[in-house]
Amino acid sequence: EAGVAQSPRYKIIEKRQSVAFWCNPISGHATLYWYQQILGQGPKLLIQFQNNGVVDDSQLPKDRFSAERLKGVDSTLKIQPAKLEDSAVYLCASSLALAISTDTQYFGPGTRLTVL
Amino acid sequence: DAKTTQPNSMESNEEEPVHLPCNHSTISGTDYIHWYRQLPSQGPEYVIHGLTSNVNNRMASLAIAEDRKSSTLILHRATLRDAAVYYCILRFAGKSTFGDGTTLTVKP
Repeated sequence: EAGVAQSPRYKIIEKRQSVAFWCNPISGHATLYWYQQILGQGPKLLIQFQNNGVVDDSQLPKDRFSAERLKGVDSTLKIQPAKLEDSAVYLCASSLALAISTDTQYFGPGTRLTVL
Repeated sequence: DAKTTQPNSMESNEEEPVHLPCNHSTISGTDYIHWYRQLPSQGPEYVIHGLTSNVNNRMASLAIAEDRKSSTLILHRATLRDAAVYYCILRFAGKSTFGDGTTLTVKP
């Protein structure tokens, strides 16, 4: 079974530039998550999709971050414009279903963003 | 959201058992206890989960206190490949919050 795919793996940009990350979840997984992980900290949930609808985006900085999940499969996360404090690893995860407390999240390898 | 508290770091010798503690004193009756681990330069991976009873799988065992306010992840024989950050999280209805985890160092 193929895992969660993310690209690019690394990205270096200057502040105020734009950047986009792509995620392809495990086939058949209805729920998709984007996390931000700052060095030395645990992952922080940015946004959660159920199919192509947003379930939770309470911690997404909406003035600069946006995300979409077209057709309920692939997803993109965009930052525009980037700030120095956005330097982090951006993790995508997927799970089979929403609202299941026993559901397992499967994580991709992440995209490491460095903002100079 | 209910929170978990874990030690920042722990050390173990190779081939010895490791007990990783987690406190979750504000846990609700419907929260499941999940453990994930994150190897260097990788995304987190699922380890085990439970509700009330102790659980075993091929990776580890999970011991849950009777009052559910704490739990312990048990690695029966640590290997160098078990060196990672271990996260204890509470999950209900698809929602969970990661803390900063415990960094496990395994010494040869």
